[in-house]
Amino acid sequence: KNEVEQSPQNLTAQEGEFITINCSYSVGISALHWLQQHPGGGIVSLFMLSSGKKKHGRLIATINIQEKHSSLHITASHPRDSAVYICAAPGGSNYKLTFGKGTLLTVNP
Amino acid sequence: EPEVTQTPSHQVTQMGQEVILRCVPISNHLYFYWYRQILGQKVEFLVSFYNNEISEKSEIFDDQFSVERPDGSNFTLKIRSTKLEDSAMYFCASRVLAGSSDTQYFGPGTRLTVL
Repeated sequence: KNEVEQSPQNLTAQEGEFITINCSYSVGISALHWLQQHPGGGIVSLFMLSSGKKKHGRLIATINIQEKHSSLHITASHPRDSAVYICAAPGGSNYKLTFGKGTLLTVNP
Repeated sequence: EPEVTQTPSHQVTQMGQEVILRCVPISNHLYFYWYRQILGQKVEFLVSFYNNEISEKSEIFDDQFSVERPDGSNFTLKIRSTKLEDSAMYFCASRVLAGSSDTQYFGPGTRLTVL
């Protein structure tokens, strides 16, 4: 069973700061998901990555498969980035996702 | 852009009642999932569905739960006799292929409150 750990659990930043959220997992996987959950509860998929780095706007995700570690970075953070960021690892023959507990990010103006 | 939809957005029910949560996955997707998130906790896997049958279920998915794809488009989760501890946000998700590197697309969720 894959254990997915995230840090930090809570993160408060000032607008414009560079943000890093970390994720580690215990069982080797071929890809990792980063998701965003807003206060209303809906989940949006941000990235699915299997190697290296992916960039989407101000969001950058990196993964090191050998070290079983991934990071999500937000450059020039903005209050609208405030949300819970969750990493999730697919596993098993049906690729069900095992989720981390999430990181609550609050960006203050 | 195609999206996964779920209805209702919020369901309030009395303990012991049956509820049906509905999902319409993206039309060309082949794998379907239900996940749930109890308030303040992490999202948990309930069940996966492929080729018109359950492909995997978690320990949570006991005899009180069932899933169906009744008409080729809807994907439903039924809870036969709800308990207080079933109160949670329920998310449907779907993906297109059978590979590990597929994105799962999530619906907006149904918030179930059992009184």
